[in-house]
Amino acid sequence: SQQGEEDPQALSIQEGENATMNCSYKTSINNLQWYRQNSGRGLVHLILIRSNEREKHSGRLRVTLDTSKKSSSLLITASRAADTASYFCATDASTPGSNYQLIWGAGTKLIIKP
Amino acid sequence: SQTIHQWPATLVQPVGSPLSLECTVEGTSNPNLYWYRQAAGRGLQLLFYSVGIGQISSEVPQNLSASRPQDRQFILSSKKLLLSDSGFYLCAWSELGTGFTDTQYFGPGTRLTVL
Repeated sequence: SQQGEEDPQALSIQEGENATMNCSYKTSINNLQWYRQNSGRGLVHLILIRSNEREKHSGRLRVTLDTSKKSSSLLITASRAADTASYFCATDASTPGSNYQLIWGAGTKLIIKP
Repeated sequence: SQTIHQWPATLVQPVGSPLSLECTVEGTSNPNLYWYRQAAGRGLQLLFYSVGIGQISSEVPQNLSASRPQDRQFILSSKKLLLSDSGFYLCAWSELGTGFTDTQYFGPGTRLTVL
């Protein structure tokens, strides 16, 4: 199973509302990242939060990390049509026989309705 | 500033044909380089990573290979494509000295369809 799993799989809200996406993971991590992907495009890094941090902000984005629950949330405030995209969390994980690498969830597809 | 290029943007190839996807990075030296594949509606699967010229590590055994002939050039190849090779291929880089799990910067991707 995946290290990081986003919830919900899809989210549709009205422009101006807040959007919250969650990510759960299974093993201990050093950091967790959130990325955005517009349809058919590459991924854009949003925020990296380290395991000793609980909250980070970047503009309209707020990320929280609860290592005791092995979960993170991404909050987008005052959503805009341009926020329509898929959002992925990525965690670091060491797998047997492999080096540390980013493990990706399947993403949350966010649609902002005008 | 740093930029990353990938080409082609889209590619339709018959089964059994060869493949060559290219990725170049500008504005940085000695980057870590990565090839990922993304199936429709899914997350990313790491295929290869490289910490230097000629140094390639494979994460998933398959009929794909990667090469790094120059510091900022990363090539994904196949001698004979399979239907299962269809997908969205993404190249990424990260700063030298950072771990593989620090911030990665992605190219625009190549949509490969094998028929």
